Amino acid sequence: DTGVSQDPRHKITKRGQNVTFRCDPISEHNRLYWYRQTLGQGPEFLTYFQNEAQLEKSRLLSDRFSAERPKGSFSTLEIQRTEQGDSAMYLCASSLLKTQYFGPGTRLLVL
Amino acid sequence: DQQVKQNSPSLSVQEGRISILNCDYTNSMFDYFLWYKKYPAEGPTFLISISSIKDKNEDGRFTVFLNKSAKHLSLHIVPSQPGDSAVYFCAKTGGFKTIFGAGTRLFVKA
Repeated sequence: DTGVSQDPRHKITKRGQNVTFRCDPISEHNRLYWYRQTLGQGPEFLTYFQNEAQLEKSRLLSDRFSAERPKGSFSTLEIQRTEQGDSAMYLCASSLLKTQYFGPGTRLLVL
Repeated sequence: DQQVKQNSPSLSVQEGRISILNCDYTNSMFDYFLWYKKYPAEGPTFLISISSIKDKNEDGRFTVFLNKSAKHLSLHIVPSQPGDSAVYFCAKTGGFKTIFGAGTRLFVKA
């Protein structure tokens, strides 16, 4: 399977803890995106990488959120001091051009 | 500022009939439109796209229509099949930033 993969698929954590998610894009895709999706809404853009450079961050991405893409391959999204409002599905997508291909997502539940 | 609106939260269609999902958008700076399908517990799956220089794109049972003057996009599925039951998102992109609608849940009854 050469699609976008994400790990873990599910994460339950207590408020105040840090969590880190990983995304492995389609291998030839130089663009990588993170989105957040809550119930009844479409995916909301969080951040975008072209190769290893983080070129855009949404206002949704507070200081507690940080994303990296070392060497322009896989990416990590870290949330520090999690809050209950962070509970959501975190989606990663990759692309060569305009069509983005999504991974299965990581569902986060903050208790 | 909701730039992509899917005004119907759900749609129910009989198997074999046509499903029509609608989407309205604002801000014409974005020049590429897409439809994604999402099953529970999975990420969105790309379905079909259309560039703003076209008004129709067809792929098998799926056809997307773009009416730029009305800023309206629609997805036609014909014939509808029970396996098409999912949430459908329309989206627009001008490059890296893609904005999604809230989705329409399609039920195809056997």
